[in-house]
Amino acid sequence: GAVVSQHPSWVICKSGTSVKIECRSLDFQATTMFWYRQFPKQSLMLMATSNEGSKATYEQGVEKDKFLINHASLTLSTLTVTSAHPEDSSFYICSAPDLAGTDTQYFGPGTRLTVL
Amino acid sequence: GNSVTQMEGPVTLSEEAFLTINCTYTATGYPSLFWYVQYPGEGLQLLLKATKADDKGSNKGFEATYRKETTSFHLEKGSVQVSDSAVYFCALGKAAGNKLTFGGGTRVLVKP
Repeated sequence: GAVVSQHPSWVICKSGTSVKIECRSLDFQATTMFWYRQFPKQSLMLMATSNEGSKATYEQGVEKDKFLINHASLTLSTLTVTSAHPEDSSFYICSAPDLAGTDTQYFGPGTRLTVL
Repeated sequence: GNSVTQMEGPVTLSEEAFLTINCTYTATGYPSLFWYVQYPGEGLQLLLKATKADDKGSNKGFEATYRKETTSFHLEKGSVQVSDSAVYFCALGKAAGNKLTFGGGTRVLVKP
């Protein structure tokens, strides 16, 4: 089946720095990718929809200037957490829908971000 | 708006026990319904899905039936194994390729 990868799988950074997380579709093209945030023992919260070649669509309450999304190609979307703070520590997950027109989505393994 | 409610865990079972995880939803129109599973240390994987009322999704011994009259999509497995220990998420989607709305997740622990 289709594979979505994320890099890095985990990252620790100091407060005030920026961190970039990559999401790649390895064997298929994805014009759309979704970014989720998962808090410990909680569900996934959709943060934004990444659109290839255009601006991302952010969910209500998500700061677009803090969580920068760039979908530069049909296989890569990046999420940059700018000026990270401890409250940004979380598990970030991306997904890409099946371009064949089904409603299946493929999820990356997630990136655990810890901000000290 | 759309929402999904599923029973809170953790659910602890013995091997070969019967598993049910309740899931109900609120949505306009006719969404597709999904169960995703997240094994320890891994990403979410699609377990099964149903796209219209009365459809039954099944995979790996798990089943769920799309019940429009009760707006439910309960997950069942007749005989669980230790390898079924994971977090299970119920979700709904409104169209092909569209974003998903997830329930809170249910952690299942199966003991030998």
